[in-house]
Amino acid sequence: QKEVEQNSGPLSVPEGAIASLNCTYSDRVSQSFFWYRQYSGKSPELIMSIYSNGDKEDGRFTAQLNKASQYVSLLIRDSQPSDSATYLCAVGVSASKIIFGSGTRLSIRP
Amino acid sequence: SAVISQKPSRDICQRGTSLTIQCQVDSQVTMMFWYRQQPGQSLTLIATANQGSEATYESGFVIDKFPISRPNLTFSTLTVSNMSPEDSSIYLCSVGGGGAGETQYFGPGTRLLVL
Repeated sequence: QKEVEQNSGPLSVPEGAIASLNCTYSDRVSQSFFWYRQYSGKSPELIMSIYSNGDKEDGRFTAQLNKASQYVSLLIRDSQPSDSATYLCAVGVSASKIIFGSGTRLSIRP
Repeated sequence: SAVISQKPSRDICQRGTSLTIQCQVDSQVTMMFWYRQQPGQSLTLIATANQGSEATYESGFVIDKFPISRPNLTFSTLTVSNMSPEDSSIYLCSVGGGGAGETQYFGPGTRLLVL
């Protein structure tokens, strides 16, 4: 069974620090990877997508992908209290189908 | 990205009844998806809804319990039938481009409580 694993947290990070969120996946042939942010009571919103090995930066967010290790991560620089949310890692496993990890709760403490 | 709306946004229902959830997109999309998110849990795909064909259901979900319609490229409905308290959940529709692992965007969700 194809799986996406995340540490459920909560991960507590001081304001201004770097938050590091990690995800591993089981399907070696997966080619697309996504990070979603979900605030309590809201629906998931896309933060980043990444398809190639290496780093992809977008503002304060950096996604890192290592297909050999089946590992994808999200770094949040200069963490803000507004970054406190649940972060969902998602992996494309077939045409159009993606599966989600259980999410990591991130708390930014002032 | 597409603008997605869902109706109703929330509902409280009695066990044994059915609820139909609507999902409307502001542009034509090939693929629409229905997910369930139970309290404190991640998203579980219920089915993929394609226009002009039967929905494709994931393991553990059946058409009799979750009938889906997809009459055109901008609209879909999910019905939760013969509800029980275990169906209390958030139901989300999403849209994607249809390419391999292509990004999905989510509607605001329908929060359902079954008493």
